[in-house]
Amino acid sequence: DADVTQTPRNRITKTGKRIMLECSQTKGHDRMYWYRQDPGLGLQLIYYSFDVKDINKGEISDGYSVSRQAQAKFSLSLESAIPNQTALYFCATSDSRGVGDTQYFGPGTRLTVL
Amino acid sequence: DQQVKQNSPSLSVQEGRISILNCDYTNSMFDYFLWYKKYPAEGPTFLISISSIKDKNEDGRFTVFLNKSAKHLSLHIVPSQPGDSAVYFCAASEYYQLIWGAGTKLIIKP
Repeated sequence: DADVTQTPRNRITKTGKRIMLECSQTKGHDRMYWYRQDPGLGLQLIYYSFDVKDINKGEISDGYSVSRQAQAKFSLSLESAIPNQTALYFCATSDSRGVGDTQYFGPGTRLTVL
Repeated sequence: DQQVKQNSPSLSVQEGRISILNCDYTNSMFDYFLWYKKYPAEGPTFLISISSIKDKNEDGRFTVFLNKSAKHLSLHIVPSQPGDSAVYFCAASEYYQLIWGAGTKLIIKP
């Protein structure tokens, strides 16, 4: 079984709809992250959480919100989806006791906003 | 302004030869550098990393070199194998956040 899982894997939605992407991990890591990737670009950090009560904005948080329901679960919400939020979304985890902040990724969610 | 740059969008290498992927950075405060590999329809997979206090780290066929004065790092894969065909991302760590390059698509030719 995968250590970091994301649901759904693919989603098509319409402009203005609220959508939630979910991430679960069994690695026992305390830190979790949400990234988006656009074609030809690297990963951009949306939000990150160092523990259940510590949530921080990343470089592109506008239009997004998150919820850390438990150490193992971190959800990303688009309150009112717009077409330029069409992208690949990745969840990642890391262990604060680890070295160099190595992050481990889920398989990604492909989101299309029409 | 991009802090981590991978200037080659793609690279084609013959099977069995050496693949060299390059990455440049601008922020001298980065303290850790990582390479990830990504196959289509999968998330990035950690490959190898190096601390800013070292200039070389080796793991099997993969070696990462860091030149701090030039703010440059490279990933060497030798010998290259067909399964190495993927997109490779360079990332740099500062205060527990990773800053990513745009990636280089490596194609290994038979």
